[in-house]
Amino acid sequence: EAQVTQNPRYLITVTGKKLTVTCSQNMNHEYMSWYRQDPGLGLRQIYYSMNVEVTDKGDVPEGYKVSRKEKRNFPLILESPSPNQTSLYFCASSLFWREGDGYTFGSGTRLTVV
Amino acid sequence: GIQVEQSPPDLILQEGANSTLRCNFSDSVNNLQWFHQNPWGQLINLFYIPSGTKQNGRLSATTVATERYSLLYISSSQTTDSGVYFCAGHSGGYQKVTFGIGTKLQVIP
Repeated sequence: EAQVTQNPRYLITVTGKKLTVTCSQNMNHEYMSWYRQDPGLGLRQIYYSMNVEVTDKGDVPEGYKVSRKEKRNFPLILESPSPNQTSLYFCASSLFWREGDGYTFGSGTRLTVV
Repeated sequence: GIQVEQSPPDLILQEGANSTLRCNFSDSVNNLQWFHQNPWGQLINLFYIPSGTKQNGRLSATTVATERYSLLYISSSQTTDSGVYFCAGHSGGYQKVTFGIGTKLQVIP
């Protein structure tokens, strides 16, 4: 089944403790992206990647890191999480960003930083 | 970056009614898409529609790129249509994507 898999689904952590949210897709998609969703603000892009070893900042990259060492994986790293990073996070992928094959989203990760 | 405005912000429909959701862009966009987020949080791609009209069952979408807007039509609404509808697009030649803040739809029996 074609899908984007995010883990974990839920995570509660403490301020400053490094964490990684994993994202993996099995569709051989070039484009992958991370979003955070907050009430009243919709989805905001954190980072995106057009292909292996090619990543760039979205609108809200501060406090986050990403890497794209393999085509299928695009982990989101919070080196020192803070309470303002409490949010619902989504990973998405598509075949060609320019052609908008249509995003496939992961199921989301609800992160709480205390 | 571009601004994306969606209207209305909230909508309550009786089951069986029709509705039109609108998305306005401040500048030209590429790869315009519509998404539905169900009450359990799952995001589903509905349409990729940079221009023209597409239909999928009871849903259809129209984008008029020259006038920087897109419309999503829901006909004969069902309770399963409830949730939040988002539009999003890439701006200019960049790969960044901007989402609207969504239209929250509630369909009541």
